[in-house]
Amino acid sequence: DQQVKQNSPSLSVQEGRISILNCDYTNSMFDYFLWYKKYPAEGPTFLISISSIKDKNEDGRFTVFLNKSAKHLSLHIVPSQPGDSAVYFCAASAFGNQFYFGTGTSLTVIP
Amino acid sequence: GAVVSQHPSWVICKSGTSVKIECRSLDFQATTMFWYRQFPKQSLMLMATSNEGSKATYEQGVEKDKFLINHASLTLSTLTVTSAHPEDSSFYICSARKLGTAPNYGYTFGSGTRLTVV
Repeated sequence: DQQVKQNSPSLSVQEGRISILNCDYTNSMFDYFLWYKKYPAEGPTFLISISSIKDKNEDGRFTVFLNKSAKHLSLHIVPSQPGDSAVYFCAASAFGNQFYFGTGTSLTVIP
Repeated sequence: GAVVSQHPSWVICKSGTSVKIECRSLDFQATTMFWYRQFPKQSLMLMATSNEGSKATYEQGVEKDKFLINHASLTLSTLTVTSAHPEDSSFYICSARKLGTAPNYGYTFGSGTRLTVV
């Protein structure tokens, strides 16, 4: 049973505009969340994290929003750049245990 | 910040041979290591959890005799794929966690290993 879901397998955005990637989860015990970026044939690159005590975390062009009541997580990239084109994964864990990963969203930023 | 080195980043081996993947925490002591595997077009799935000095706990469906995990020290965990077959070809990634508490638990991920069995 998929506890973390990314329902959009792909997303295309014009350069300079905002990219919004979404993630939903089912386990209300999740207390820590991550977003990862992955280029083909490379390992994941950690982007940003958020704990359940917050509802927003910002790092440069990347902002993660957490809506605990909706069990929803989103990643905003502003402004989007062609180098941001990659597959983005969200992941969640509870009490320091294993992460559960979404299936990823492939982002294409069009120059 | 905390760094986890995973080696090799990619490996090609012949069917029937064994491959060892190393995961080292460079600047912290990893009390727990997680090993994940990714199948094409699927999410990363946990294979096993290992704590330093004790036997790994394997997830259901993961063959412990095929995927040998050793966490002999607080800075090193290894995953050995024994008698590899083409269906073992996948992307493997480790995650280390240092002793810590919420909210972030001190997680760090390795850069992953792409295994191709021919």
